[in-house]
Amino acid sequence: AQTVTQSQPEMSVQEAETVTLSCTYDTSESDYYLFWYKQPPSRQMILVIRQEAYKQQNATENRFSVNFQKAAKSFSLKISDSQLGDAAMYFCAAQGGSARQLTFGSGTQLTVLP
Amino acid sequence: DAGVTQSPTHLIKTRGQQVTLRCSPKSGHDTVSWYQQALGQGPQFIFQYYEEEERQRGNFPDRFSGHQFPNYSSELNVNALLLGDSALYLCASSSVARQGPPLHFGNGTRLTVT
Repeated sequence: AQTVTQSQPEMSVQEAETVTLSCTYDTSESDYYLFWYKQPPSRQMILVIRQEAYKQQNATENRFSVNFQKAAKSFSLKISDSQLGDAAMYFCAAQGGSARQLTFGSGTQLTVLP
Repeated sequence: DAGVTQSPTHLIKTRGQQVTLRCSPKSGHDTVSWYQQALGQGPQFIFQYYEEEERQRGNFPDRFSGHQFPNYSSELNVNALLLGDSALYLCASSSVARQGPPLHFGNGTRLTVT
């Protein structure tokens, strides 16, 4: 079984600034994946970034990067140079190596202020 | 290359009725998963279909059933609708041949039960 916890229901950031969204997880799997998904008002769940647990190097995708602390079971998302289009609900999710489903957190609503 | 498509976009039903939601996976994908997303919450896994069979099921009652067709498209059926079934229903597809995630999501069907 897996659990994912996002303790920040809402966050705001000034345009062009940096913001970090927090996520903690728990899993009994030794092999697992972690994700951040973005859900704008269009409702489609869009993959932002993924991290394989066996990789020590933190994943990066352009302005998006993660801080993966395996021992602490922490997986935070950093958004640099925030843009108005980054405003959305952000979900942290985990998938165990043997599990076929994603387990999502409760989400963080990100507002970008002009 | 068409992504995951879901129909209808919105649906309003009355308590006790039955509903069928439809999903066509992304081209090249053979596995379909369904998620229920209540307002203000993260998606919850309902079940996954592969080779026309249910491979894994989340904590949902038997009122929720599904089907996968030879062309990999899928249906989600919900019987005896309750007010609590009002939610966004997301379909996601993936490929068994490609080890591991990610899932590709559709835009969802918004179901309102009155």
